[in-house]
Amino acid sequence: EDQVTQSPEALRLQEGESSSLNCSYTVSGLRGLFWYRQDPGKGPEFLFTLYSAGEEKEKERLKATLTKKESFLHITAPKPEDSATYLCAVGVQETSGSRLTFGEGTQLTVNP
Amino acid sequence: SAVISQKPSRDICQRGTSLTIQCQVDSQVTMMFWYRQQPGQSLTLIATANQGSEATYESGFVIDKFPISRPNLTFSTLTVSNMSPEDSSIYLCSVGPSDTQYFGPGTRLTVL
Repeated sequence: EDQVTQSPEALRLQEGESSSLNCSYTVSGLRGLFWYRQDPGKGPEFLFTLYSAGEEKEKERLKATLTKKESFLHITAPKPEDSATYLCAVGVQETSGSRLTFGEGTQLTVNP
Repeated sequence: SAVISQKPSRDICQRGTSLTIQCQVDSQVTMMFWYRQQPGQSLTLIATANQGSEATYESGFVIDKFPISRPNLTFSTLTVSNMSPEDSSIYLCSVGPSDTQYFGPGTRLTVL
């Protein structure tokens, strides 16, 4: 059974204070590690998919990295608008789409 | 990216009743996925809906409680049957492709 654990549960940063979120996983075979951002009252917004150890992807102030056992979401010089819950998930890829197992998320608050 | 809409966006229902949630996608997709997000928790996959075949349910979810229809390649419904307060959650539909996974805005259900 796939398992995904995220840490910390909550993180408070000052604007401009860089940090990292962790996602560790136990799967029978990695088929995709997904990162999402979720704002209150909204559905998750897709950020990245990583497939192999050593892979990195970037989007604005966010960079996701992957090892064989965990993934990190690095946030560089965050702004208050980066405040959200960040979710990671591992995916079983189907012919059209992926069945995802999610972690519990990290709630990020960036204070001005 | 796919544009996904859900109806209703929210509802308050009495225990013992049923609610049908609609999911509409702006393009044809083979597979659609239904997730549940209980208050303060992460997302859990309920079932995978393929056009022209029976939905595939995850462990802990059964067809009698969560019947799903998939009449065409752009539409699906999830019914929450014989509701109890424990069914109060956000219900989300999701579509691929397999290297990304997009989510609808969700239906917030409260059962009294």
